[in-house]
Amino acid sequence: DAKTTQPTSMDCAEGRAANLPCNHSTISGNEYVYWYRQIHSQGPQYIIHGLKNNETNEMASLIITEDRKSSTLILPHATLRDTAVYYCIVREGTGRRALTFGSGTRLQVQP
Amino acid sequence: KAGVTQTPRYLIKTRGQQVTLSCSPISGHRSVSWYQQTPGQGLQFLFEYFSETQRNKGNFPGRFSGRQFSNSRSEMNVSTLELGDSALYLCASMGGGYTDTQYFGPGTRLTVL
Repeated sequence: DAKTTQPTSMDCAEGRAANLPCNHSTISGNEYVYWYRQIHSQGPQYIIHGLKNNETNEMASLIITEDRKSSTLILPHATLRDTAVYYCIVREGTGRRALTFGSGTRLQVQP
Repeated sequence: KAGVTQTPRYLIKTRGQQVTLSCSPISGHRSVSWYQQTPGQGLQFLFEYFSETQRNKGNFPGRFSGRQFSNSRSEMNVSTLELGDSALYLCASMGGGYTDTQYFGPGTRLTVL
């Protein structure tokens, strides 16, 4: 699976949009971009995933660049409960099903 | 639907003992994966079971083993515990389709003294 690069940490003001970037420049055609978050010592929570089109659900939006080499997770109105470590993961659609977690981005939402 | 459940949530063992952790996947899910999370190594994949067969395995010693039952419930076992096995053990269930998503349980916190 392709390697991902994320900033170590980010701050965001409560009520503002949080934009979390992820670089995956070696992504291949059959690899999906997944986002999970982990709130202190709980199990990772699935947020969203996509292949090449932008995706939106009740939690967030995922914007994938046209060349698929990077993506941005957008939390439209961050709350204190969104403080967590966010993981961007690239995973092949078939075969290997394991998720390879990097270090993620620690998002701190400030009141 | 109920989520992934793991039991016990917390466990304390001593070196040399063995431990068995249990995971019940989301109803209808046939794939169960196990991960270990430590401060030093982060989240690492242990193994995956699908329809009672191990389908994928991470780079862990043979002391770590698992199994899956016909109702998709899974157990993992760690024998001859070492201090370094202290970790959060996470179970994730997945339906088994092409791009199915893994959903994680709350984890079992194992402390080895």
